[in-house]
Formats: sequence, C-alpha cells, structure tokens
Amino acid sequence: DIQMTQAPSSLSASVGDRVTITCRASQDIRNDLVWYQQKSGKAPKRLIYDASTLQSGVPSRFSGSGSGTDFTLTISSLQPEDFATYYCLQSGAYLPYTFGQGTKLEIK
Amino acid sequence: EVQLVESGGGLVEPGGSLRLSCTASGFTLSTAWVTWVRQAPGKGLEWVGRIKTKTDGGTTDYAAFVKGRFTISREDSKNTLYLQMNSLKIEDTALYYCTHLFRDYWGRGTLVTVSS
Repeated sequence: DIQMTQAPSSLSASVGDRVTITCRASQDIRNDLVWYQQKSGKAPKRLIYDASTLQSGVPSRFSGSGSGTDFTLTISSLQPEDFATYYCLQSGAYLPYTFGQGTKLEIK
Repeated sequence: EVQLVESGGGLVEPGGSLRLSCTASGFTLSTAWVTWVRQAPGKGLEWVGRIKTKTDGGTTDYAAFVKGRFTISREDSKNTLYLQMNSLKIEDTALYYCTHLFRDYWGRGTLVTVSS
C-alpha cells in the first residue's frame, strides 16, 4: 500500500499568516492527489484535486503544488473560517486509496 | 439538491454484523463509483472500499483491514448501495461515510459502535 506522510500533524497560526502543509507519498503517484478540509462534525470538503486544480467555489488563497511523491497545500492568508483539519488523499491508479494522517490547524 | 444519506449504524457486539445503507437523491447512483470512508472518534479518515458502476464491471475493492469481512453491493433500482459488515471488531467503531469522490458528494455519516 502507498503510505501518505502528512506534516505537520498540528499547526498554530494567526489570521493573515501563510501556511503550508505537506504530504509525501511512499511511491510515485504522479499528480493523483486531493486535498480536503474537514470542520468539526462535518463531512470533508474537497479543496484541490489533481494536486493543483482548485475546486470550483474554493477561495483562491488555497493552492496546491507538487507531483510524484511530494505535495504541498498552501493557504496564502489565513482567514478565520480556515481553522479546520486538512487531509491529503492519494486517489489514482493504486489501491487502496490512502489518506494522510491529517493536519489540525488551530488559532494561535 | 444532491444528497447522500447513510443509515443502519448502531451498537453491535464484537463478532456481530451490521448492514449500512447509502441512499442517493438528486442524482442517479447507478452512474457513480461510490466509496465508503470511515472516521474513528477523534481520528483521521480511512478509505474502506468502493464499488464501480455495473457499466464498469460492478467490481469492488477494499482496504486490507476489512477484506473478507466487509462487502459493498448496490441496488440501483432503489438508488441505494450497502456496506455489509461481518465479524466486527472494536476497532471498526467509527462514523461511516458514503461518498461520490469524483463529484465530492458526501453523506453526513452513520455511527457504528462495536462494544460489549
């Protein structure tokens, strides 16, 4: 199985900060990576797919980059509604699909 | 409005069985590859398994930790699919979501608690 190593597991930041979350795959997954945001008590919401394509309706302060094994989610200027938990998911040719362990983004 | 609604969760003893349902409205489930994802209390997301459309063979794939115990099936005439869970373990306790990953449709989940 492909392992997805996500870092950091938690992060404290302030409104307006630039934040970066990383995911590393244990083998090449091309660009088959999705980023999700999950707020407490809610289902996940897709932010980015194909590693760097912004989901319709998602603010442009979210961006994704990377291919192969190393991927990054960046929030350019944190807003209060961005405090949540973020997950990556590898969802391409390799089964089973696997999620990263999650990054809990908290207010400093 | 598109909706996925899971049902069938509850409390079951270790070794027991449970069948979860996922019913769609606002779109035709038969056209979707549907995935089950679970989340243990306070933990991260886990991919459980998926079923393809009948057009694509209707085949299923599972995570190793449920293979041989869980079965996904579909009843397209009812716009519903199922997750049959047998030989349940305490570590299967989780909120189970059904999702159309490609279109990012998610249900609200149904809670399964395995405890004696």
